[in-house]
Amino acid sequence: ETVLTQSPGTLSLSPGERATLTCRASQSLSSKYLAWYQQKPGQAPRLLIYGASSRATGVPDRFSGSGSGTDFTLTISRLEPEDFALYYCHQYGASPRTFGQGTKVEIK
Amino acid sequence: EVQLLESGGGLIQPGGSLRLSCVASGFTFSGYAMSWVRQAPGRGLEWVSTMTDNGRSTYYADSVKGRFTISRDNSENTLSLQMNSLRAEDTATYYCAKASSGSRPYYFDCWGQGTLVTVSS
Repeated sequence: ETVLTQSPGTLSLSPGERATLTCRASQSLSSKYLAWYQQKPGQAPRLLIYGASSRATGVPDRFSGSGSGTDFTLTISRLEPEDFALYYCHQYGASPRTFGQGTKVEIK
Repeated sequence: EVQLLESGGGLIQPGGSLRLSCVASGFTFSGYAMSWVRQAPGRGLEWVSTMTDNGRSTYYADSVKGRFTISRDNSENTLSLQMNSLRAEDTATYYCAKASSGSRPYYFDCWGQGTLVTVSS
């Protein structure tokens, strides 16, 4: 099973700041089969990024994804109030598909 | 607009059974694989099961294999999850999730709001 480790566990930042979230896979992901989701309290996850760097429909361009192999990054260039939430990475190239444990982005 | 509406959750005793349903709309249901993903209270996301677009292939997490059965009715745009021999560790919100395509590899591009299953005596 491919284990995804997200860091940090919690990121305390102020609106307007840049957020950098990391997801490390226990084995190399073929063809960048890595997605990122945002989840707010009481809500379902929302797709942000797929294929490591492609933004989903309707996702603001302040969200960007990068990386390959075992190391991936989600960057939020300038945090808006609505961006404070939980973020999960997800690998869908190896069986079974797995999720990271999440990074909470909270208001400092 | 894609919509996924789950139902069937509730409180059930250990060893009991429950059937979850997900009604889909806003897309050609028969053209996409569909999955169930769960989230225990205060915990992360765990993939549970997937059925391909035509229903010919099914996949399960080891934690539910032999106890849960996924099915779909493409004529009714409905996905189901039959859960037997439920355990306390199955307590979670169960999400119905639409795959990005009919077969692997795919990510989840739309999620329902979830239905809560609580296994407790």
